[in-house]
Formats: sequence, C-alpha cells, structure tokens
Amino acid sequence: GAVVSQHPSRVICKSGTSVKIECRSLDFQATTMFWYRQFPKKSLMLMATSNEGSKATYEQGVEKDKFLINHASLTLSTLTVTSAHPEDSSFYICSASATSRAYEQYFGPGTRLTVT
Amino acid sequence: DQQVKQNSPSLSVQEGRISILNCDYTNSMFDYFLWYKKYPAEGPTFLISISSIKDKNEDGRFTVFLNKSAKHLSLHIVPSQPGDSAVYFCAASITGNQFYFGTGTSLTVIP
Repeated sequence: GAVVSQHPSRVICKSGTSVKIECRSLDFQATTMFWYRQFPKKSLMLMATSNEGSKATYEQGVEKDKFLINHASLTLSTLTVTSAHPEDSSFYICSASATSRAYEQYFGPGTRLTVT
Repeated sequence: DQQVKQNSPSLSVQEGRISILNCDYTNSMFDYFLWYKKYPAEGPTFLISISSIKDKNEDGRFTVFLNKSAKHLSLHIVPSQPGDSAVYFCAASITGNQFYFGTGTSLTVIP
C-alpha cells in the first residue's frame, strides 16, 4: 500500500524558534499534499492544500506567514512553523493524494510538536 | 461550521456483534465519502469509501451505507473484533479537492 512518512515524529522547541516538518510519499507520486492539525478530542483540521510546484492554498483562519508550506517535488512537502509559540503545540499530520486516486489520501504518522 | 458531524463520541460493542458508526453531513455538494481508522499517536488509515452515486459499498467486514436524502452515512463492522478498537473518522469530499472530517467516534470492542 501507499506509504507516507513524516519527520520528525516528535519535536520540542523553544518559543520564538522555527520548526520544519517533512512529509514524504515513499512509493508513489503525490501531486497534492494536505496538512492537518489535530487538537485534543477534536477533529482533524485542514490547514492547507499544496500542489507540487505551486503555492499552497490555506484554509480560512490559518496564517500563511506563520505556517510556511513548500511542496518542492512530487514526493516531498514541508511545513515550517515560524516563531513558534506554546499555542502552536499540537499534532500535525500530512497526507498525500496519488495522482490517479485523488479521492483517497494516505496519511503520515503525524508529528507531535511541543513548544516550551 | 461543522459540515460533517459524528454525534456519538464513543461506542462500546461486544466482540462478535455489529458496530454501527454514524455520520451526518450538511453540504449537498459532497460527492465522495470516506471512513478512516486512527490509533493513538498515529495518522489515520483509509478504511473504505463510497461515491455519491452509490448507496452501499462493502469490503470484507466493513460496509458503508449512504442515504443522500437524509445526508447520512454509516459504517457497519460485522463481526466486531478487539483489534477494531480505534477512533473512526468519516470524511466528505467535493471533487477530491476539499476534505471535511467529522470529530471522530471512539470504538471499543469488548472481548
């Protein structure tokens, strides 16, 4: 089956620093990647959709200057949380949609970000 | 505004019995529906999907039913197994470009 990896799985950073999270599709090409954030006991919240080679589309209420997304290739998308604050602490999950099966997303294992 | 709703945050079922997870939606533009299973601290795993032109899709122990007039879908798991214990999210999509998730239902299958 399709595999999506995320790195790192856990990261702790100090307030004011930036953190980069990588999302890779390992065995398929993904023209579209999605970034989600999950709050405790709440649903996955779509943050942005990124298409390879073009700018990401951010959902309403998500600061694009704070959450920088780069979809550099068909197998890699990165999310950079800039000037992180404790309220950015969360579980971030990416997913990738294979070119031929756009309706079915394959999720990465998630990244637990803790900002101290 | 939550366009996809799962009104039952938790469900407990005896092993071997049927588990029924429900999901309601509000947007009639949704044309594809999916169910995902999620274990703690892991990303969701795709389980089963259904197009809006169908009313039922079956895959092994999992069956998804879609009632478009009621804007309701359900996931049936039969027979339920302890390994099915997880959080189940339903999701709806418009043309595969936008995905909306429900808040999840935590299923516990009791041995």
